[in-house]
Amino acid sequence: GQQLNQSPQSMFIQEGEDVSMNCTSSSIFNTWLWYKQDPGEGPVLLIALYKAGELTSNGRLTAQFGITRKDSFLNISASIPSDVGIYFCAGQNYGGSQGNLIFGKGTKLSVKP
Amino acid sequence: GAGVSQSPRYKVAKRGQDVALRCDPISGHVSLFWYQQALGQGPEFLTYFQNEAQLDKSGLPSDRFFAERPEGSVSTLKIQRTQQEDSAVYLCASSAGQGALGYTFGSGTRLTVV
Repeated sequence: GQQLNQSPQSMFIQEGEDVSMNCTSSSIFNTWLWYKQDPGEGPVLLIALYKAGELTSNGRLTAQFGITRKDSFLNISASIPSDVGIYFCAGQNYGGSQGNLIFGKGTKLSVKP
Repeated sequence: GAGVSQSPRYKVAKRGQDVALRCDPISGHVSLFWYQQALGQGPEFLTYFQNEAQLDKSGLPSDRFFAERPEGSVSTLKIQRTQQEDSAVYLCASSAGQGALGYTFGSGTRLTVV
């Protein structure tokens, strides 16, 4: 099935560093989302973006909806050990029966304490 | 309930066996989705229900996969004659509407076919 191009696949960083990851698509979406998934759990929504060019923050997280509607990035500032996990981008086109999400393959974040 | 509940959490099936995976959505949530997550991949859409109506089943990989939600609440995903490539985590999500803001995932059922 279709998946978005997400990079990097994994990253190791020192506690306190900033992190950046991005996601691109060949298709336009009208919503971009970022999720975090811990081992043995389902994805949990971090940030939702609804307008092209939109920049949204949630605590130490900042995400932007690309102007072309085909890309998004997520920044995490001053990383801490609990940021460890897998981060997924997802695109959605809702309306009618199309509520499903298209996910990227994930960015695995590991933090060295 | 407070969240989306899935059972069993883990299931080991012998190849060729039929399995049934259950999802209890958040009470009152109209929309229910099933996703399949293979190891090291993002979740992939399987099927979507609005109340008891299955509006989209385009993601079901074969006719061995069948999902139902007869009373518009609990849903069951059934896989017949399981094969090794069916091994994955099966995630259920529910939402009060179609927008992603109210989309809540369960913890999933990890299916291993041996």
